[in-house]
Amino acid sequence: AQSVTQPDIHITVSEGASLELRCNYSYGATPYLFWYVQSPGQGLQLLLKYFSGDTLVQGIKGFEAEFKRSQSSFNLRKPSVHWSDAAEYFCAVDTSGTYKYIFGTGTRLKVLA
Amino acid sequence: NAGVTQTPKFQVLKTGQSMTLQCAQDMNHNSMYWYRQDPGMGLRLIYYSASEGTTDKGEVPNGYNVSRLNKREFSLRLESAAPSQTSVYFCASSEYRGAGANVLTFGAGSRLTVL
Repeated sequence: AQSVTQPDIHITVSEGASLELRCNYSYGATPYLFWYVQSPGQGLQLLLKYFSGDTLVQGIKGFEAEFKRSQSSFNLRKPSVHWSDAAEYFCAVDTSGTYKYIFGTGTRLKVLA
Repeated sequence: NAGVTQTPKFQVLKTGQSMTLQCAQDMNHNSMYWYRQDPGMGLRLIYYSASEGTTDKGEVPNGYNVSRLNKREFSLRLESAAPSQTSVYFCASSEYRGAGANVLTFGAGSRLTVL
């Protein structure tokens, strides 16, 4: 069965430090992968997506993610975290043609001043 | 610039009461969705509507009904609320562009508490 795993429930980093949030997926066909961010009390907003082509994708707010088929991973990175990046981050897979995303359980990011 | 609008934002119900969550989008999207978000479980799809006039069950449909009223509006109804339905509910929409190109736009959420 398809699944998305975000192994880190909580991550704390200092402002200015680099960030990597992990995402692993299990899906038999070509994956379509997404990262969404949820600020407190808000809905989810798309950060970036991977459909095909270049395995390093750039998103909004200075985020990037790298698709590694051999590791079934789509990790999210940011070189220098800002206090406003504190939020919950969700990785998702689109099981193509079925309208059904599979979301990971989320990683809550805390940023220390 | 409204995007996806959900009402109400907060609701407290007693067990057995009914209510309807309303959702409207102004982006002319074909597809609409209802998710619930529970701590440690991410988002789970309740129902979706691929296009006007169609609805289908998602991962956790029991206890819910939906109506795709028109292209803009997609409502979620709890006929007899249970404490297990305490959750944050999100409506989303998308312009389906083919396999894998299904970017969701979310509403701000509706927090429901069932006592």
